[in-house]
Amino acid sequence: TQLLEQSPQFLSIQEGENLTVYCNSSSVFSSLQWYRQEPGEGPVLLVTVVTGGEVKKLKRLTFQFGDARKDSSLHITAAQPGDTGLYLCAGAKGQGGKLIFGQGTELSVKP
Amino acid sequence: NAGVTQTPKFQVLKTGQSMTLQCAQDMNHNSMYWYRQDPGMGLRLIYYSASEGTTDKGEVPNGYNVSRLNKREFSLRLESAAPSQTSVYFCASRRDPGLGNEQFFGPGTRLTVL
Repeated sequence: TQLLEQSPQFLSIQEGENLTVYCNSSSVFSSLQWYRQEPGEGPVLLVTVVTGGEVKKLKRLTFQFGDARKDSSLHITAAQPGDTGLYLCAGAKGQGGKLIFGQGTELSVKP
Repeated sequence: NAGVTQTPKFQVLKTGQSMTLQCAQDMNHNSMYWYRQDPGMGLRLIYYSASEGTTDKGEVPNGYNVSRLNKREFSLRLESAAPSQTSVYFCASRRDPGLGNEQFFGPGTRLTVL
């Protein structure tokens, strides 16, 4: 059972375009994280959102946690080839440390 | 600091063979995790250890065993490998206290079972 649904699963865009990746669930999470993974490497944490409605910005990346803490989005403005990679959302329930991952979004930004 | 290290990086096994994947972290984290990553399925938790001396099953534990050797090391063992265990395996550790549950991942082990 996939508790976190990510969409789209694949995205191929041109440099300079904007994009949004969605992470949806019917479950409430105590926090939600976004990771980025490059080929041959492990995921690296980009951001953690904890409060419903929270918005965090990381340069050209904007992350939002839904008001009900069931969903999240990642928006990239003016994408660059260096943004290419696999983006994973992961939700946590309580402080136990276990994460539930979405399927991932494979982003390709062409120059 | 090396962070989270994993060995080996690549491994090919025949069905029925056994092997142990090694993981170590030098960040003094209490919690450690083993995941597998398969195309289109994200990461799925195999086993985790909340502290030295404790281990618990995750979402997909069948066919695997783990040992938390000490605070630094957490190993994953395949007793009798099957083709369905072909995957990329990641070890992770968690920063404590864990507000937000941030995890730090190793570089992965790519395992092929023929």
